[in-house]
Amino acid sequence: GDSVTQMEGPVTLSEEAFLTINCTYTATGYPSLFWYVQYPGEGLQLLLKATKADDKGSNKGFEATYRKETTSFHLEKGSVQVSDSAVYFCALGGSGTYKYIFGTGTRLKVLA
Amino acid sequence: DTGVSQDPRHKITKRGQNVTFRCDPISEHNRLYWYRQTLGQGPEFLTYFQNEAQLEKSRLLSDRFSAERPKGSFSTLEIQRTEQGDSAMYLCASSLDGGAREQYFGPGTRLTVT
Repeated sequence: GDSVTQMEGPVTLSEEAFLTINCTYTATGYPSLFWYVQYPGEGLQLLLKATKADDKGSNKGFEATYRKETTSFHLEKGSVQVSDSAVYFCALGGSGTYKYIFGTGTRLKVLA
Repeated sequence: DTGVSQDPRHKITKRGQNVTFRCDPISEHNRLYWYRQTLGQGPEFLTYFQNEAQLEKSRLLSDRFSAERPKGSFSTLEIQRTEQGDSAMYLCASSLDGGAREQYFGPGTRLTVT
């Protein structure tokens, strides 16, 4: 069945460092791909999305490109801030169903 | 637009008791989803409604679980005869219709079964 694999955390970075969180997927159809963020004590918030191959989603300095050839949707940010500390979830949806399939999440900690 | 709301935010119950959670979606959204999230894991799909019709259920949704969306607005999720393994965060999400629309999540209800 469809699945999402994320790099394990936690990821600890210094402020202004470059961030990459890897996400790969397996899907039988043509899913949309999403990144959600969960700040401490809060619910999941949509960070960005991409609906087809080669699409780039971006928001708040974060970017991810839908790569069909490598079945990947890696999250990147050029310069992280302490306020980016959170858990990041990669998800796929729309591959023959409306439910989302989530990865296990990657915890990011940014140190001042 | 106040977003998706869930009630209660926390619930502690004894094993064997029944519990019911409520979700109020974003008002113009006709799709509503329930997920369960355990510690250190991503959310897992439980069930999905299109208006008042329950269109998909996960095998995770045992016969002790029932969900309703009687008028196509708010939804309830009931767990009967709770077990310790039911302890988790129960998340509700809603979306517009058409394709793989982005889902907007509520804050969740944290259930602890003692």
